[in-house]
Amino acid sequence: GAGVSQSPSNKVTEKGKDVELRCDPISGHTALYWYRQSLGQGLEFLIYFQGNSAPDKSGLPSDRFSAERTGGSVSTLTIQRTQQEDSAVYLCASSLALASGGAAYEQYFGPGTRLTVT
Amino acid sequence: AQSVSQHNHHVILSEAASLELGCNYSYGGTVNLFWYVQYPGQHLQLLLKYFSGDPLVKGIKGFEAEFIKSKFSFNLRKPSVQWSDTAEYFCAVKPFYGKLTFGQGTILTVHP
Repeated sequence: GAGVSQSPSNKVTEKGKDVELRCDPISGHTALYWYRQSLGQGLEFLIYFQGNSAPDKSGLPSDRFSAERTGGSVSTLTIQRTQQEDSAVYLCASSLALASGGAAYEQYFGPGTRLTVT
Repeated sequence: AQSVSQHNHHVILSEAASLELGCNYSYGGTVNLFWYVQYPGQHLQLLLKYFSGDPLVKGIKGFEAEFIKSKFSFNLRKPSVQWSDTAEYFCAVKPFYGKLTFGQGTILTVHP
């Protein structure tokens, strides 16, 4: 079946502009996650959504970052007034749910959006 | 705050050499443990996972990992690497109540 898709695959923007990154999770997956991958920094958690629960926004680095998930499916990550330090690969992942009986469900990752802020 | 440490940033091996990538975490409670791999130009994908039971878990492509609770470690091993194992490897830990936290990643380069 179709995996997690993200668009655009690459985005170059000027400092100060706003950008929107899109994620289409695997159909039926109730949990959706956003991560940021910077060179040599591993994956940095940004936010996750689980069903109709309030999202966990604890990883968002500043109030310039926001995300929403409409209809429990597609998600958009918005970065306002982009800065050069926002340049990174933004990864989206989805899973069937968060966990069951203490066992976390596998997260399936998309190809990422490479954001370059000039 | 919980953390995940991968000891090596870049490992270079020749084909048929044995591999061990270190992973240590700081959380003291019940955890789920994962190794993910990202081959060049491909998505991150799950290599193996540990939830409970036998601390030696086997994954795809001949990889295995051993959970040593007393050492807070979950090292990845493969007896004989191949050129196609060239990739970046990420250890990840999820506490029972908490988010999945990734290590910094280890780049493995295998020379033919």
